[in-house]
Amino acid sequence: DQQVKQNSPSLSVQEGRISILNCDYTNSMFDYFLWYKKYPAEGPTFLISISSIKDKNEDGRFTVFLNKSAKHLSLHIVPSQPGDSAVYFCAAYYGGATNKLIFGTGTLLAVQP
Amino acid sequence: DVKVTQSSRYLVKRTGEKVFLECVQDMDHENMFWYRQDPGLGLRLIYFSYDVKMKEKGDIPEGYSVSREKKERFSLILESASTNQTSMYLCASKRQGDIYGYTFGSGTRLTVV
Repeated sequence: DQQVKQNSPSLSVQEGRISILNCDYTNSMFDYFLWYKKYPAEGPTFLISISSIKDKNEDGRFTVFLNKSAKHLSLHIVPSQPGDSAVYFCAAYYGGATNKLIFGTGTLLAVQP
Repeated sequence: DVKVTQSSRYLVKRTGEKVFLECVQDMDHENMFWYRQDPGLGLRLIYFSYDVKMKEKGDIPEGYSVSREKKERFSLILESASTNQTSMYLCASKRQGDIYGYTFGSGTRLTVV
């Protein structure tokens, strides 16, 4: 049972345009949502996060939006750059004792020069 | 520079072999995790450990076991390797209570033939 889903396995965008990566979740108890970026042959690295009490968080070219009623979040990258080409994982966090991340299925972003 | 080191980048093993994947972190983190990454399935949690000698099953523990005798080392054991365990294995660590501080290793690509 996949609690965190990314329905687009891949996305191709032109350099300079906006990239929008989407993520849906099923569990309303998640406290935080995070985006990780993964290059081939490397481990995932933390990109940006949002608390469940907020609806937007921005960090430079990256913005994450959270719609709790729809159980949906999205990552916007503006402007997209070729170096952004990677697999992006959405992750959700259970607070308290469980203390672990639940990852989504990932979206491969290709930014074309 | 903080590190999570996985002992092998690539491994090829035969069906039925007992396989050990080693992970060492130098950050004095309490929590350690083993994930596997498969196309279309994302990162799935196999086992995690809150502290030395403690372990908890993740979402897909069948066919795996773990060992954490020292704080810095978390081993994943495939008792009898099977072809469906061919995957990318990722180790991560973080400090207890820290949401954002997951540090991942570079991964071990295991092929079972």
